Amino acid sequence: IVLTQSPGTLSLSPGERATLSCRASQSVRDSYLAWYQQKPGQAPRLLIYGASTRATGIPDRFSGSGSGTDFTLTITRLESEDFAVYYCQQYGSSPPMSFGQGTRLEIK
Amino acid sequence: EVQLVESGGGLVQPGESLRLSCAASGFIFSNYWMSWVRQDPGKGLEWVANINYHGDEKYYVDSVKGRFTISRDNAKNSLYLQMNNLRAGDTAVYYCVRELIVGVAEYFHHWGQGTLVTVSS
Repeated sequence: IVLTQSPGTLSLSPGERATLSCRASQSVRDSYLAWYQQKPGQAPRLLIYGASTRATGIPDRFSGSGSGTDFTLTITRLESEDFAVYYCQQYGSSPPMSFGQGTRLEIK
Repeated sequence: EVQLVESGGGLVQPGESLRLSCAASGFIFSNYWMSWVRQDPGKGLEWVANINYHGDEKYYVDSVKGRFTISRDNAKNSLYLQMNNLRAGDTAVYYCVRELIVGVAEYFHHWGQGTLVTVSS
């Protein structure tokens, strides 16, 4: 399965709402999809798994939705620390785990 | 607190070998599947290999099969990646990752800070 994320770069202001897309070339098995955040010089951090379940300690302004081939990460009320690169990841098809190419969320 | 500390990265020539290590602490190491995930500098993420609790199930991405070997020593709370016949395309930051398994799905929950492997002549 190939995961395609859009847009490549998203420019928004603090306080605005961000909507990031992850589209799969085939249906993702049982919505086994996750979202990660990566800041410069840091390792990725798991935000969402199972398409919509927030990982421990993740603020509720982050939410995930979708099924089949179309998934969305929404960040309401952007804060300065949210500007980063976001990746989606699927489990289930060869290779068993694969990532999208990332969306860069930058301050406008 | 979960801690994963990688070591062993460096600069090697094509065809050479390198062994990465990951020291785990803050959790019961033998209770978790573990993975190596790499990131080409400035680019995206790629899962490389993973290993089950006891080390008797191992899986690899196609591009490293036959060249890389993942292993673990639960007595030492350590994960390893033996990389042979390295290629320029293997140049990346390699992360040691503790997996989160939900049902049958596997996600990457806790990450180390990574170790840089550079393959160049």
